[in-house]
Amino acid sequence: NAGVTQTPKFQVLKTGQSMTLQCAQDMNHNSMYWYRQDPGMGLRLIYYSASEGTTDKGEVPNGYNVSRLNKREFSLRLESAAPSQTSVYFCASSSRDDQPQHFGDGTRLSIL
Amino acid sequence: QKEVEQDPGPLSVPEGAIVSLNCTYSNSAFQYFMWYRQYSRKGPELLMYTYSSGNKEDGRFTAQVDKSSKYISLFIRDSQPSDSATYLCAMRRTGNQFYFGTGTSLTVIP
Repeated sequence: NAGVTQTPKFQVLKTGQSMTLQCAQDMNHNSMYWYRQDPGMGLRLIYYSASEGTTDKGEVPNGYNVSRLNKREFSLRLESAAPSQTSVYFCASSSRDDQPQHFGDGTRLSIL
Repeated sequence: QKEVEQDPGPLSVPEGAIVSLNCTYSNSAFQYFMWYRQYSRKGPELLMYTYSSGNKEDGRFTAQVDKSSKYISLFIRDSQPSDSATYLCAMRRTGNQFYFGTGTSLTVIP
């Protein structure tokens, strides 16, 4: 059972480069989420998609864009990476937006 | 003040001990409570999900909610080295906004 799959697992970027983080789920879930996790800050919501065709901003959306490509896939794009975006990024999904989320294993992103 | 407060630890206990992990919250509107376990370099894994005040048990794990005190706990009985991880609490009001604690790091020593 794959659950939520994130690619890549690790990435190093230079300031100003762009990158897309990929996420796919095979649980037929309607809702998908992108979080970042930083020491002492916990999980912070970047963007979420309550259902296919909709996206909404979370707590820390600046510097990011998202695309809900289809029901399975939800990508996160950094257009011009900054060192402050160095973090571990988690994708999650849930059957509905009021249900507990199931997480992928994260993408560790370093921006130099 | 954060919506959800969680002592980061670290917490270190001998194998077989009973572990108590706690979170407090400030908003009485929170109604749904979760505990996640996160192993190093892995994503959070849902352990417990509860709505009402009182206790919910699942194997060696018991989730306790005290809404009057705005306090939730996770108890781990007969702790094992494999329980060594970071434990995150999470909660939700009505609607779809979830709030996570920062996590408590637990080490169970053989």
